[in-house]
Amino acid sequence: GQQVMQIPQYQHVQEGEDFTTYCNSSTTLSNIQWYKQRPGGHPVFLIQLVKSGEVKKQKRLTFQFGEAKKNSSLHITATQTTDVGTYFCAVSGAGSYQLTFGKGTKLSVIP
Amino acid sequence: DAGVIQSPRHEVTEMGQEVTLRCKPISGHDYLFWYRQTMMRGLELLIYFNNNVPIDDSGMPEDRFSAKMPNASFSTLKIQPSEPRDSAVYFCASSFLEMNTEAFFGQGTRLTVV
Repeated sequence: GQQVMQIPQYQHVQEGEDFTTYCNSSTTLSNIQWYKQRPGGHPVFLIQLVKSGEVKKQKRLTFQFGEAKKNSSLHITATQTTDVGTYFCAVSGAGSYQLTFGKGTKLSVIP
Repeated sequence: DAGVIQSPRHEVTEMGQEVTLRCKPISGHDYLFWYRQTMMRGLELLIYFNNNVPIDDSGMPEDRFSAKMPNASFSTLKIQPSEPRDSAVYFCASSFLEMNTEAFFGQGTRLTVV
């Protein structure tokens, strides 16, 4: 299946600070999805990126897909305690129906 | 729709016992995935089905694991015999049509093998 590297593994921020997690692949991706998992919960879909260079925003969250479709980022502006959780990218390569998840970035927000 | 439904939510069993995890996907979804989540290995794809047919089971750790999908509304993941290293949270997820759509996850089954 498709391999993807996600960094950092952990991030502790003060409430109000920004946060970014990155997802990198050695091969071209057909699309990338982002999920959030709250502590004790299950992954919940946030967004999907398909086009090269695509940028999508959801309130304080900004998602980017690289021009080469090999990397992506999720940026949260002015974090809040409700942002706490683990953020995963999930990828499927060209012609593949497998959805492979990165290891995730666990975000802690200090009030 | 109630979403993806998994049962049981928690399972504690003794080593060597058979464990069966159950999943009811969202009606109309034609892809079903079984994932295992641990601290060490993260979310691992074990197997996925398309229209009830297993497509790729390369993520199944060993022969002790088996999965079935007898119909569009039910799937099982069985571990026989169970071992302590099987302790994890097992998620079932379903999606519609092709790979370019979001996966909806169930609440998961937390399995503890003692």
